[in-house]
Amino acid sequence: EVQLVESGGGLVQPGGSLRLSCAASGFTFSSYWMSWVRQAPGKGLEWVASIKEDGREKDCVDSVKGRFTISRDNAKSSVYLQMNSVRAEDTAVYYCAWGKSAASWGQGTLVTVSS
Amino acid sequence: DIQMTQSPSSLSASVGDRVTITCRASQGIRDDLGWYQQKPGEAPKRLIYTASSLQSGVPSRFSGSGSGTEFTLAISSLQPEDFATYYCLQHNSFPLTFGGGTKVEIK
Repeated sequence: EVQLVESGGGLVQPGGSLRLSCAASGFTFSSYWMSWVRQAPGKGLEWVASIKEDGREKDCVDSVKGRFTISRDNAKSSVYLQMNSVRAEDTAVYYCAWGKSAASWGQGTLVTVSS
Repeated sequence: DIQMTQSPSSLSASVGDRVTITCRASQGIRDDLGWYQQKPGEAPKRLIYTASSLQSGVPSRFSGSGSGTEFTLAISSLQPEDFATYYCLQHNSFPLTFGGGTKVEIK
């Protein structure tokens, strides 16, 4: 059974940094793209970033370019989202998802950006 | 960027009704589309992949169709547990994009 467990969310001040982690199990992690998707309170889903199996290819939504970085550690079956220079509009539940097609999702971790 | 236009944004239906939701892509995406169900307070769950393939464990009353730019999710006979919000996602090219969502409510 695929399991994705996010951690690292919390309250952060505008301009601050946070690192989200997602631990994966139940599939051959090193063989799949991984993604982050977020959902602001009361809003729809927004794709944030994806990273290829070997980490050499990645992409992210324009609104986070230059501020957020996706990375992975295949030895630990984990994917990360480094969030820098956060803004109020980054407040959301952040989900880790299996693959570009988001076949399976974690339970999410809440990030609140507020002073 | 590929825009995904989902309609309707909400609908009211009764148990047993047939329901259809549509996503239109601003350019062709082959069959690189999935449908997701989200209930309040829960993570989304994929129902359909590659436009028309039923995810394992998902009831057969759910079906997907389409290719290119027009896609449809159908629920043949709405059940109480199906009241939720539904999204489509295109993963043909970056940036990946979701439809705006369809909230299915009880009439």
